[in-house]
Formats: sequence, C-alpha cells, structure tokens
Amino acid sequence: GAGVSQSPSNKVTEKGKDVELRCDPISGHTALYWYRQSLGQGLEFLIYFQGNSAPDKSGLPSDRFSAERTGGSVSTLTIQRTQQEDSAVYLCASSLEAGGDSPLHFGNGTRLTVT
Amino acid sequence: GNSVTQMEGPVTLSEEAFLTINCTYTATGYPSLFWYVQYPGEGLQLLLKATKADDKGSNKGFEATYRKETTSFHLEKGSVQVSDSAVYFCALSEHSGGSNYKLTFGKGTLLTVNP
Repeated sequence: GAGVSQSPSNKVTEKGKDVELRCDPISGHTALYWYRQSLGQGLEFLIYFQGNSAPDKSGLPSDRFSAERTGGSVSTLTIQRTQQEDSAVYLCASSLEAGGDSPLHFGNGTRLTVT
Repeated sequence: GNSVTQMEGPVTLSEEAFLTINCTYTATGYPSLFWYVQYPGEGLQLLLKATKADDKGSNKGFEATYRKETTSFHLEKGSVQVSDSAVYFCALSEHSGGSNYKLTFGKGTLLTVNP
C-alpha cells in the first residue's frame, strides 16, 4: 500500500488476555518503530527495528511486551496478560533508513482498550 | 534525558489569524528538531524540520527556527486556514553514535480554526 498500515484499528480485550498488534510498513523502508500514546501523554518510544533486528528495546514497559519483525517487513507487537494501564493508542512508523533524519511515516494506530 | 515541552491546548483561532505554538526542549547533545502534524483521521506526518542551530524549517506556510540559545523551536504561521485544524507535535532526535532514530515527542497541541 501507499502508507503504513496497522491492524486492527480498534481492539477491546479483557484484562489478562494476550493481544497482537500488526504493522505493515511502507515497502522498502528498512527501519520500523513502535510508539505508544496514552491519554494526555505524548508519544512514548517502545522499540525500533533495523531490518529484522531490534537494536533498541529500551522503551518496552515490561516483559509482558514483545515485538518481532519478519522478512524485513511486517512487525507484530504482542502484549501478554494485558492490564488496564496498557490501554492506549499504539502507533507504528517506518522510515527509509534509520538515522540521517529520514522522516518517519506513521500509521493510523491501533486503539487498545483493556476492560 | 531528553524532553520536549509544548504549549498546552486546545488553541482556537479564526481563519487568517496568526498562529504560534511554543516548543522548548532539553537535550544533552545536538538534536534535530521536528514538527509533526496529525490531521483528523490520519496518521502523523512530518511538517517541517531543522537540523542545526539557526536553521529555519518551513512547509505549507508554517515556519520554525532552531534557537539554541533559548532551546526553542516555536511553530508559526501568518494566516491559518480551516484546513490547518489538526494536532501538532514538537519532537527532537538526538544524534548518538551517528544515529538519530529515536524521536522524543511533546504531548501535542490541538488547533481548531473556525471560518
């Protein structure tokens, strides 16, 4: 597609369940990023991929959060045993390359609600 | 650590009014500075950027000047239009080891322009 695609756009889940969020970056973009936007907060960096490897996972809030990227393309963010504080909009972005001020292109996000 | 502080909204203006959205930052190195915009129903997109002190970024009639002495990157537009209604995010990326992939964002400012 023309832009970064995220699915689902909305997800409501019960506390304690696992969820998977998907991101399809722009074709040819080697760098992929996950951010989280909680109510009233700015965007919080979670993890960044260069190709299939994640040089920086420092923003993942806990070991319940994990992410992978396969084929240098699609990425999945998994949250295990969801908690109410995980409710947020999860944004994915991609860029042609990491660094060098290559602009980030964002998807529309997945709005996660944990009840 | 790095941080970005931008004026809290919401900001409501009439068409053709002058816009300023203040942004100040804290960084230990030599950051690049950005303004991203999120139009209703769309993903964030880069509006403009500046990579070194005294640079001026500009796009779509918006301007921002990188002021190292005041650690600021205020966004301005001389005459806003209804179509400028959006959420505006100030962000920085700090060069570390030649890479500046990680963006630190402000909380966003909602701008509404009335006809």
